Amino acid sequence: AQSVTQLGSHVSVSEGALVLLRCNYSSSVPPYLFWYVQYPNQGLQLLLKYTTGATLVKGINGFEAEFKKSETSFHLTKPSAHMSDAAEYFCAVTESGGSNYKLTFGKGTLLTVNP
Amino acid sequence: GAGVSQSPRYKVAKRGQDVALRCDPISGHVSLFWYQQALGQGPEFLTYFQNEAQLDKSGLPSDRFFAERPEGSVSTLKIQRTQQEDSAVYLCASSQYMVTETQYFGPGTRLLVL
Repeated sequence: AQSVTQLGSHVSVSEGALVLLRCNYSSSVPPYLFWYVQYPNQGLQLLLKYTTGATLVKGINGFEAEFKKSETSFHLTKPSAHMSDAAEYFCAVTESGGSNYKLTFGKGTLLTVNP
Repeated sequence: GAGVSQSPRYKVAKRGQDVALRCDPISGHVSLFWYQQALGQGPEFLTYFQNEAQLDKSGLPSDRFFAERPEGSVSTLKIQRTQQEDSAVYLCASSQYMVTETQYFGPGTRLLVL
């Protein structure tokens, strides 16, 4: 089964600073990769996803992520943090093979943005 | 258009009570998923439906958990004889098909078992 590691359960940045949220996955077979954001008392909203093709993926709200197969990583970045980016972020991957509908999530990274 | 809706949003149950959680997926979505999110954790897969067929229930924690989607639309997750460890947020998601399709999540039902 897949596993997902998100380094840093809590990341704090200043408004306008670079945001970097780390995600590593376990499979040697490239899965499909996702980043979701969760605001308090709300469901998960898709930020971006990688399936095939270009390894640099652009998402909503200025976020992007790069799939690096050699590092089994899919880190999320944003050049300049905004106060509205404060939320919890989850990296997720699909299982391989016949269970590829099933998402496996990391434990999440809480992003706080300081004025 | 309307997204995935879940009801109730909050549920408090006494230990041993049965509860039923409802999910209304996006209209026309074939696939429906249930996830359990414990406090401070990421969501964990419970079960998967394609139309009315439950194709995977490998994530259900015990035989006290039961899910159904009889007409291929609305789904209900039922927990019998609730235990304190069942306290969590239960998320429902739907997608048009599967695999690379985006899963759209509802707001969740927060269950607290006392």
